Amino acid sequence: EPEVTQTPSHQVTQMGQEVILRCVPISNHLYFYWYRQILGQKVEFLVSFYNNEISEKSEIFDDQFSVERPDGSNFTLKIRSTKLEDSAMYFCASSYHRGLSSYNEQFFGPGTRLTVL
Amino acid sequence: QQPVQSPQAVILREGEDAVINCSSSKALYSVHWYRQKHGEAPVFLMILLKGGEQKGHEKISASFNEKKQQSSLYLTASQLSYSGTYFCGPRGTFSGGYNKLIFGAGTRLAVHP
Repeated sequence: EPEVTQTPSHQVTQMGQEVILRCVPISNHLYFYWYRQILGQKVEFLVSFYNNEISEKSEIFDDQFSVERPDGSNFTLKIRSTKLEDSAMYFCASSYHRGLSSYNEQFFGPGTRLTVL
Repeated sequence: QQPVQSPQAVILREGEDAVINCSSSKALYSVHWYRQKHGEAPVFLMILLKGGEQKGHEKISASFNEKKQQSSLYLTASQLSYSGTYFCGPRGTFSGGYNKLIFGAGTRLAVHP
């Protein structure tokens, strides 16, 4: 069964460093998302991406964040200068079809645990 | 815009039933339900698109009352595998948004033998 994959599973970085989190969405999916979950808290939407551009972003997704689909298969989240409060589990998700249908189920990857020291 | 879930936590014995509620202050078009086990990613359970429509997944069903802006998840004859945190993710009436899910705080369900 196709699945979303993410690498690395755990990333430890120093405050102020740049990190890139990688995701490979399900191959025929068209819509991609990043969510984060701070330990013990709810899952929070960061950004959605379609047709090589950001569709929507939350207030969390400030100038320190960027997303890219560099090669048609990978989908990356970059944090330019990490802060302590960026420590969280970051989930990538993808879906096939947006809109008013039953096919907008989002499939989540296993997550990357980011620890900022 | 964040939905409100109740109860915050439920403890069950295997075989017992539970209901988890989700309500929104905004008009809803659909509701997604996900389950997340500790240390794992959220897993899609079901989506409800029409008012009053019930969907099922295993012995888990749900209803959606769009007029009341509420959805309820019904877990029948709970199994140990049902343990986890349940999130509802309502989606508002179509506004050009792209399926972003705004999750509630979740309901922690623990099923014991």
